Formats: sequence, C-alpha cells, structure tokens
Amino acid sequence: DIQLTQSPSFLSASVGDTVTITCRASQDISHYLAWYQHKPRTAPKLLIYVASTLQSGVPSRFSGSGSGTDFTLTIRSLQPEDFATYYCQQVNTSPFTFGPGTKVDFK
Amino acid sequence: EVQLMESGGGLVQPGGSLRLSCAASGFTFSSYGMNWVRQAPGKGLEWLSYISLASTTMYYAESVKGRFTISRDNAKNSLFLQLDSLTAEDTAVYYCARDIDFGLDSWGQGSLVTVSS
Repeated sequence: DIQLTQSPSFLSASVGDTVTITCRASQDISHYLAWYQHKPRTAPKLLIYVASTLQSGVPSRFSGSGSGTDFTLTIRSLQPEDFATYYCQQVNTSPFTFGPGTKVDFK
Repeated sequence: EVQLMESGGGLVQPGGSLRLSCAASGFTFSSYGMNWVRQAPGKGLEWLSYISLASTTMYYAESVKGRFTISRDNAKNSLFLQLDSLTAEDTAVYYCARDIDFGLDSWGQGSLVTVSS
C-alpha cells in the first residue's frame, strides 16, 4: 500500500501569513494527489486535485505543486476561515490513502 | 445542487452489524463512482471503500476488507455500506463522497456509528 506522510503535523500561523504543507508518498504516484480542507463537524472540502488543479470555487490563494513522491500545498495570505486541518490523498492506486493531516491553528 | 445525505448510524454492540445509506440528489448518480470515508474520534480521515458506476469494481481498505460491503442502487440514487463484525475501533463518523476520478468533490455531512456495549 502507498503511505503518505505530511509535515508539519501542526502549524501555528497568523492571518496574512503564507503557509506551506508538504505531503510525501512512499512510491511514485505521478500527479494523482488531492488536497482537502476539513473543519470540525463539517464535510471535508476538496481544494486541489491532480496535484495542482484548483477545484471550482476554491480561492486562488490556495495552490498545489509536485509530482512523483513530493507535493506541496501553499496558502497565501491566510484568512480566518482557513484555520482547519488539511489532508492529502493519493488517488493513484487502491487503497486510496489519506495523509495523517496538518492542523493549521492561530498563532 | 449536489447533495449527499448519510443515514443509518447509531449505537451498536461489539460484533453487531449496521447498514449505512447515502441518498444522492442534484446530479446523475449513475455517472459517478462513490466512496466511503470515516473519521474516528480524535483521528484523521480514513478511506474505506470505492464502488464504480455500474458496481463492476469495488475496492476496500485492509482494515475493513471482509467485514464491510459497499453497494449501490442507481435506480434509487443510493449508496450503501454494510458493516459487520463491528469493534470499538469502528466507532467513527462515516462519510459518503462522490468520486471525480482524481478526488472526492462532494461529501455528505456524516453519520455517527458508535460501537459499545
């Protein structure tokens, strides 16, 4: 099975900051990686798919990059509504594993 | 508007069974693969299972293989997850999610399953 690791696990930031989250796959997954935002007691939200394509309706301050085994999610000019937990998911091969998550919290 | 609504969760004893349902509306259900994902208390998201458009392909996470069964009824715009041989480790919020091949673009609000005696 393909394992995903995320770093950092926890990130403290302020409104207006730029934050970067990394996701590393245990084997080559080409560009088959998605990023999600999840807030407590809500449904997860797809942000980016195929590593760098912004899902419709997602603000342009979110961006993704990478291929192969190393990927990044960048949030520019962090907004109050961006404080949440972020997950990567590989959709290359079943089981379609999620990363362990990165919680972005107020500094 | 795409809507997914899970139902069927609740309290069940260890070793018991439960059937979750997901009612879909606002899109052509038969044109999309579907997934189940769960989140245990204090834990991250865990992908569980996928079913293709016409139910020809199903995938499962190792943690639920042989105990959970995914199915769908395209005529009723419904997705199901049969949960058998439940343990306390299966306590979680269970989400259904629509598959766009490269990600899960629409999710339900979740259904809580609690396994406890």
